[in-house]
Amino acid sequence: AQKITQTQPGMFVQEKEAVTLDCTYDTSDPSYGLFWYKQPSSGEMIFLIYQGSYDQQNATEGRYSLNFQKARKSANLVISASQLGDSAMYFCAMREVSNNDMRFGAGTRLTVKP
Amino acid sequence: DSGVTQTPKHLITATGQRVTLRCSPRSGDLSVYWYQQSLDQGLQFLIQYYNGEERAKGNILERFSAQQFPDLHSELNLSSLELGDSALYFCASSAGRRSSYEQYFGPGTRLTVT
Repeated sequence: AQKITQTQPGMFVQEKEAVTLDCTYDTSDPSYGLFWYKQPSSGEMIFLIYQGSYDQQNATEGRYSLNFQKARKSANLVISASQLGDSAMYFCAMREVSNNDMRFGAGTRLTVKP
Repeated sequence: DSGVTQTPKHLITATGQRVTLRCSPRSGDLSVYWYQQSLDQGLQFLIQYYNGEERAKGNILERFSAQQFPDLHSELNLSSLELGDSALYFCASSAGRRSSYEQYFGPGTRLTVT
């Protein structure tokens, strides 16, 4: 069963504007971690941000913040003040404590327009 | 640079052959993970090792095997290769084995099976 859903195959945003990339997940494990990764065209996977299921506050890392809505099982990534270098594929991932594997969504390709 | 190294960067081989992919984790990281990224399957978790022991297993085929050595480097062995095994294979490492630890990815090995 699909555990991570990213419903936006592609997104466009104007430079300097904010953009939200959607991610919903499915789990019955009360303990899990949510991750966002960036994959530029060069292919490497870059860790962006982490949110634990018991964390009370939304995670933030520089221009990245995670809008965590536990009841809705959503973990949207917000990128503020978009830059041309933000153009890349973005993957949402979840890791459950019970089975310890990492599940990735299909990804969202973000294009930042000048 | 994530600090995770993978060799080789590219590998071209024929169907039926066997290859070995190598990964060196970041200094101090005890966990190593292997992932396969293909166009049709997306990014899939294969297997995790923690301090030399297998910790979690994902969608790893029986033709594939992995191990982690005492110096913590890891190898992924792929045998009886098929065309569908062509993919980007990532190794990632993290400090611990819990879901809260972020994973840092290597640059990947691009395998082409002809």
